[in-house]
Amino acid sequence: GEDVEQSLFLSVREGDSSVINCTYTDSSSTYLYWYKQEPGAGLQLLTYIFSNMDMKQDQRLTVLLNKKDKHLSLRIADTQTGDSAIYFCAERTGNTPLVFGKGTRLSVIA
Amino acid sequence: DADVTQTPRNRITKTGKRIMLECSQTKGHDRMYWYRQDPGLGLRLIYYSFDVKDINKGEISDGYSVSRQAQAKFSLSLESAIPNQTALYFCATSPAGSYEQYFGPGTRLTVT
Repeated sequence: GEDVEQSLFLSVREGDSSVINCTYTDSSSTYLYWYKQEPGAGLQLLTYIFSNMDMKQDQRLTVLLNKKDKHLSLRIADTQTGDSAIYFCAERTGNTPLVFGKGTRLSVIA
Repeated sequence: DADVTQTPRNRITKTGKRIMLECSQTKGHDRMYWYRQDPGLGLRLIYYSFDVKDINKGEISDGYSVSRQAQAKFSLSLESAIPNQTALYFCATSPAGSYEQYFGPGTRLTVT
């Protein structure tokens, strides 16, 4: 069955890099997504990566995909206090809705 | 995302009451979803609909029902609310052929 795992908490200092990790079990995943949830808000799509890619960069965000280990990571460079949020990893397999992880709460210490 | 709206934003109700949560979207998307979010449990899918005539159960559909009244509207009902349905409920949409989901702001439901 499908399962997406994330650690629940991460704390970093302002200006450092944050790395949020995610593992998934379904090798037929075609797209993998990162969503951000700020306090009191819904989820916002941050970025996604197609399964035939190893890396995708978008400004301060870098997504790395290791298909062999079924491991996905999101790196946020120069982390700011505005990056404090819950980050969800999600996978798409076939014609079914996305499967979300439980979310990683990122706390940025000034 | 203002293109996906949910009403009400907050609701407190008593055990046994019937509750309806509404979702409307102006994005023109065919696909709509209802999730609940609980601390430490992430997002769990309740129901989803890929078009107006299509309704599918998700991971945790027991105790819930839905109605897809039009392409733009997808309602979630709790026929007889119970305290463990206290949660944050999200509606989401996605265009046909895509799975990028766009979320509403959420409804915080408390059942006492």
